[in-house]
Amino acid sequence: QSALTQPRSVSGSPGQSVTISCTGTSSDVGGYNYVSWYQQHPGKAPKLMIYDVSKRPSGVPDRFSGSKSGNTASLTISGLQAEDEADYYCCSYAGSYTSVFGGGTKLTVL
Amino acid sequence: QVQLVESGGGLVKPGGSLRLSCAASGFTFSDYYMSWIRQAPGKGLEWVSYISSSSSYTNYADSVKGRFTISRDNAKNSLYLQMNSLRAEDTAVYYCARARYYYDSSGYYTTGPPGAFDIWGQGTMVTVSS
Repeated sequence: QSALTQPRSVSGSPGQSVTISCTGTSSDVGGYNYVSWYQQHPGKAPKLMIYDVSKRPSGVPDRFSGSKSGNTASLTISGLQAEDEADYYCCSYAGSYTSVFGGGTKLTVL
Repeated sequence: QVQLVESGGGLVKPGGSLRLSCAASGFTFSDYYMSWIRQAPGKGLEWVSYISSSSSYTNYADSVKGRFTISRDNAKNSLYLQMNSLRAEDTAVYYCARARYYYDSSGYYTTGPPGAFDIWGQGTMVTVSS
């Protein structure tokens, strides 16, 4: 149950696009199309932003998109806004009724 | 509205025990797998445990296996986490979360661990310290 690998931080200016990667193995990210992404503002509970690799829950702006290639999943945020500044976590089903999270990425909007 | 509210956190000495509760409302609690997820201060999220909708199946992260027990009472719309033999490294905010329905490989819409965590509580802080 090793954590998925995410960059510690990314940054972008308002209006730009940023992509956050999430690297696992063939036993988790690469083995299942059950990758999800969560946004967490300081002191708040995480919020689901993307599920099943690329699907958006109702109410999540279409500026947020997800994809996967091999053992790496990605979250792309286009048209960055100040309120997007937060921590982002990926999560993957890892088989045998277990899940694993990434270490988290701090997004700074410059 | 759909809501999860945790309680039961606090300060406990190493080796001690604590029982967390999570009250669900606004949805049919008995239809969903539930989970506990924790976050140590300044650290990332860590999945802790799953329980099936009928309590017939449970699973745990290696870091808590044998020390923590997840349970639920569908009649009371409540989820629990009994934590024994607590260690300093168990210090964290503990969240309960709902596993949303998902389509399995056969196209069957069902609940279970592959489902993303779509509803989270506000969290309850557990501090293990002497």
